[in-house]
Amino acid sequence: KNEVEQSPQNLTAQEGEFITINCSYSVGISALHWLQQHPGGGIVSLFMLSSGKKKHGRLIATINIQEKHSSLHITASHPRDSAVYICAVSKNYGGATNKLIFGTGTLLAVQP
Amino acid sequence: DTGVSQDPRHKITKRGQNVTFRCDPISEHNRLYWYRQTLGQGPEFLTYFQNEAQLEKSRLLSDRFSAERPKGSFSTLEIQRTEQGDSAMYLCASSQAGTGTSYEQYFGPGTRLTVT
Repeated sequence: KNEVEQSPQNLTAQEGEFITINCSYSVGISALHWLQQHPGGGIVSLFMLSSGKKKHGRLIATINIQEKHSSLHITASHPRDSAVYICAVSKNYGGATNKLIFGTGTLLAVQP
Repeated sequence: DTGVSQDPRHKITKRGQNVTFRCDPISEHNRLYWYRQTLGQGPEFLTYFQNEAQLEKSRLLSDRFSAERPKGSFSTLEIQRTEQGDSAMYLCASSQAGTGTSYEQYFGPGTRLTVT
C-alpha cells in the first residue's frame, strides 16, 4: 500500500464547478504539500501545510492531522486549472525533515 | 533569482551509453533533491544533498547512478550504461534547510530521458 493515496485518479469537470481532490497518508508527517504539474511541464508548489486551512485565490487546502487526510478544493473552476494535482508529504524523521513522498496524482480536466 | 534550472531539458540516448544531467538550484538553498518520474506516476525520491554532503540515497539509485554536488551549488546526476527502464523525467528541487520544520521545495523543469 502506498504511503500517500489520492482520489480520484481522474476528474473531469465543467467550467465553474467546485472541485475536491482528496489525499490520505499513513505515516507521521511534518508537512503536507499540494503541487501542480502541467503536461510536459515542471512542478509548482501550491500549498505547504501542517494544520488547519490555507487559501490562495480560488484554491483552498485543508488538513486533518488526526485523520491523516487532506483536501484540495478549487472554486469556480476554469479550463486553465486543467493539470495534474499531486499530494506529497514530508515524513517526520524525529526532527530532521527532508524528502517528499508523493501520491500518484489526480489528472483534472476542466471543460469550457 | 530565476528559480531552479536543469540542463538538458530533453536527452535521447542509446542503451548502454552514459548520460549526465545538471541542476542549478536557487542560490541561497542548502538542500538539493533529485526525483524520478515515470509516465502516469508521481515522482519518486532518488537522493538529496545538504550543501555538498549527500545525506540520503534511495534503493532506486543503483550503482549505475551517481550524484554529486561538489561545491554545494550545482549538482550533477550521472547514469552509466543506460537501460530502457531508465527512461523517465528526472526532476531536481531545492529548498532551505532546518531541523524540526519543513520548507517548500522549488522544482526545476525536469530533464526527460529517452533510452532507445
